[in-house]
Amino acid sequence: GESVGLHLPTLSVQEGDNSIINCAYSNSASDYFIWYKQESGKGPQFIIDIRSNMDKRQGQRVTVLLNKTVKHLSLQIAATQPGDSAVYFCAEKTSYDKVIFGPGTSLSVIP
Amino acid sequence: EAQVTQNPRYLITVTGKKLTVTCSQNMNHEYMSWYRQDPGLGLRQIYYSMNVEVTDKGDVPEGYKVSRKEKRNFPLILESPSPNQTSLYFCASSLSGGLGQPQHFGDGTRLSIL
Repeated sequence: GESVGLHLPTLSVQEGDNSIINCAYSNSASDYFIWYKQESGKGPQFIIDIRSNMDKRQGQRVTVLLNKTVKHLSLQIAATQPGDSAVYFCAEKTSYDKVIFGPGTSLSVIP
Repeated sequence: EAQVTQNPRYLITVTGKKLTVTCSQNMNHEYMSWYRQDPGLGLRQIYYSMNVEVTDKGDVPEGYKVSRKEKRNFPLILESPSPNQTSLYFCASSLSGGLGQPQHFGDGTRLSIL
């Protein structure tokens, strides 16, 4: 597949370790946040989301943390697997307004 | 199968030749949107539509047009394409434009404008 982000921040982790991907969002009025995973040659795929009235939400092997004070979002992936290798994007949304995506982070899992 | 379908997947064309990228979803979603993805810039929203006959500009609407005559379709029109519109384009949809509604994305259309 084609590379979609030639200048992305890159995170390399060993298989089985936990991964933490960070995101600084731009609008203090944003009240809905989403993490997407994009594999090479494919469109972004929803992973997990969180509303601004929460500071933590857990899914299967993934956890999202929200710190509104410093406008920071993180995605934690437990027991990272080779299939987790992809580009990860955070996105923010304000009510019925536009969606703003972050620049993305490339996760590389070392077997 | 629930999906967002874009056509074509790849297109090479020349400056000034009008083109349309089609997008169709089979999930009865109200909200649809177009993005372009460029290296180092992430995804940027071009236009979005809250429902039939309702469209709004995103962050980078210049040089693009959209229409939403039917709920399932949201074509992206480049009336006079230029080389700076060479990019990877994604269409997306969600049940509504409200909070708590993540988007479903198509697999992308790679446009090259020579």
